[in-house]
Amino acid sequence: EVQLVESGGGLIQPGGSLRLSCAASGFIVSNNYMNWVRQAPGKGLEWVSLIQNDGRTYYADSVKGRFTISRDNSKNTLYLQMDSLRAEDTAVYYCARDSFAEYWGQGTLVTVSS
Amino acid sequence: DIVMTQSPDSLAVSLGERATINCKSSQNILYSSNNKNYLAWYQQKPGQPPKLLIYWASTRVSGVPDRFSGSGSGTDFTLTISSLQAEDVAVYYCQHYYGTIYAFGQGTKLEIK
Repeated sequence: EVQLVESGGGLIQPGGSLRLSCAASGFIVSNNYMNWVRQAPGKGLEWVSLIQNDGRTYYADSVKGRFTISRDNSKNTLYLQMDSLRAEDTAVYYCARDSFAEYWGQGTLVTVSS
Repeated sequence: DIVMTQSPDSLAVSLGERATINCKSSQNILYSSNNKNYLAWYQQKPGQPPKLLIYWASTRVSGVPDRFSGSGSGTDFTLTISSLQAEDVAVYYCQHYYGTIYAFGQGTKLEIK
């Protein structure tokens, strides 16, 4: 059974850093396209980042240069390193498998506030 | 980058009636080499992650009721619910996955009239 479990969210001050994790089971992360998608409170979905199975990475303009997507094949885990956080980064962050995402985690809440 | 625009923003439909949600992409998302439209539709209920309903613009995910259908090509797409059920109350999103920078539409909130 495919499962995705996010962790690492929390309250962080503006300008701070946070690393989100997405532990996968039931499939191999490195064999798939993996995405991060976020949803600000009461708002719509925003695509954040993609890592392809060949390791190439892509970002939305809103996070480019501040966020880094990566994976640890030995742990079968996806990561999102978030630096220089802003209030507008406050959201539930979901990891999702594949370009059209049939599998999603339950999300982890990141709150950027002083 | 490709921008996705949905219409309407909200929609109220009577039980058993048809619901239609539109999605327009700012660029063509039909890939000519495989004749596939790189568009998906999702349903999201409060407190839940999105659920994939349709991919390749018209392919229904296994287990999704056949009252849900997707159509369109190029830049204009439609999600149709043929006979609205109470459990279909949700927010619906289109998403393109053409190229390497993906994007979602702003969402359409579907309610019962």
